[in-house]
Amino acid sequence: DIQMTQSPSSLSASVGDRVTITCRASQGIRNYLAWFQQKPGKAPKSLIYAASSLQSGVPSKFSGSGYGTDFTLTISSLQPEDSATYYCQQYESYPLSFGGGTKVEIK
Amino acid sequence: QVQMVESGGGVVQTGGSLRLACTTSGFMFNTFGMHWVRQAPGKGLEWVAFIHFDGTKDYTADSVKGRFTISRDNSENAVYLQMNNLRPEDTALYYCAKENWAFANNGGFGSWGLGTLVTVSS
Repeated sequence: DIQMTQSPSSLSASVGDRVTITCRASQGIRNYLAWFQQKPGKAPKSLIYAASSLQSGVPSKFSGSGYGTDFTLTISSLQPEDSATYYCQQYESYPLSFGGGTKVEIK
Repeated sequence: QVQMVESGGGVVQTGGSLRLACTTSGFMFNTFGMHWVRQAPGKGLEWVAFIHFDGTKDYTADSVKGRFTISRDNSENAVYLQMNNLRPEDTALYYCAKENWAFANNGGFGSWGLGTLVTVSS
């Protein structure tokens, strides 16, 4: 089974900051990597698929990169509405697996 | 507009059973694979099960294998999760999610439902 490790587990940044979250797979997953945003009390929202492709309607301040085992999610200019927990997920093989999540807070 | 609504959650004793349903609209249900994902209170996301668009193939997490069964009814635009021999560690919010692409079985997730809460008391 593929293990997904996210870092950091939490971060605090100021409005306007550039924020980067990393995700590492225990084995190569090509670009079968997705990112999700979850706000408190809400269902997850799909942000990115295929490591770097934005889901329809997702603002371009979100971007993803990586291939193989190492991936990043970047928020180019952090806004209050971006306060949430972010999860990566591999879907290269079953069982699918998620990272442990990164909680992003606004200073 | 894609809509997915989960139902069937509730409180059940250890060893009991529940059947969750996810009813959908706004897309061609019979061409999309469907997933169940759960989230224990205050915890992260855990993938539970997947079923192929035509129901001919499915996958289940080891943590629920032999106890949970995923199925679908394409005439009703619904996917189900039969949960037997429930344990306290199955307590979670259960979400359904659709595949990104028609006819895919590993295309990533598109839309998610709002979830239904399952509580297993000991």
